[in-house]
Amino acid sequence: QSALTQPASVSGSPGQSITISCTGTSSDVGGYNYVSWYQQHPGKAPKLMIYDVSNRPSGVSNRFSGSKSGNTASLTISGLQAEDEADYYCSSYTSSITKFGGGTKLTVL
Amino acid sequence: DVQLVESGGGLVQPGGSLRLSCAASGFTFSNYWMTWVRQAPGKGLEWVANIKQDGSEKYYLDSVKGRFTISRDNAKNSLYLEMNSLRAEDTAVYYCARGRYCTNGVCYRFDYWGQGTLVTVSS
Repeated sequence: QSALTQPASVSGSPGQSITISCTGTSSDVGGYNYVSWYQQHPGKAPKLMIYDVSNRPSGVSNRFSGSKSGNTASLTISGLQAEDEADYYCSSYTSSITKFGGGTKLTVL
Repeated sequence: DVQLVESGGGLVQPGGSLRLSCAASGFTFSNYWMTWVRQAPGKGLEWVANIKQDGSEKYYLDSVKGRFTISRDNAKNSLYLEMNSLRAEDTAVYYCARGRYCTNGVCYRFDYWGQGTLVTVSS
């Protein structure tokens, strides 16, 4: 099964907002409201940032938000901060596996 | 605090074997599905295997079926991944993670992850 499609990189300046897309099919992103987003700093463990499309775990900043339209999910980070610079991965439930995206490198200029 | 600590990685020749361990603490280990996810160098994340709370159900990525075995010891709060017939394409950092809301062997999300252990398959 092919990975979910994410842009390889996005960038923004401090204080700005950015959006990372995650495109799948009706068999994954479009078929279920179980999209998650993970943040990974270099050499560190992934951290759950968003689950079930738009829910934030306790302790995650409300600057992070998620949404979905059709087969594409999105992660928006508002009020960009230097500490947000990291790799971001989406994932989706499917009937057979948990599928991940290829990852997006966020650069804070 | 929830902690997951992997160990057992290293350099192994193609065709060789390795056993990874993950020590869990800070939560009731026996109440949760557990998972192995890997990340090849410079690549994205890839789910590898899941195991149910009591070990009665196990699920694998097609490319590792028959070569990898996931297991757990709830008395020791530990998760394991036995890897045999290793191939160059198995080279990756292997993370253990706690699964949430898993049905039919598929987890909706993974809420805690370890720091990972590197497995390198090379001659």
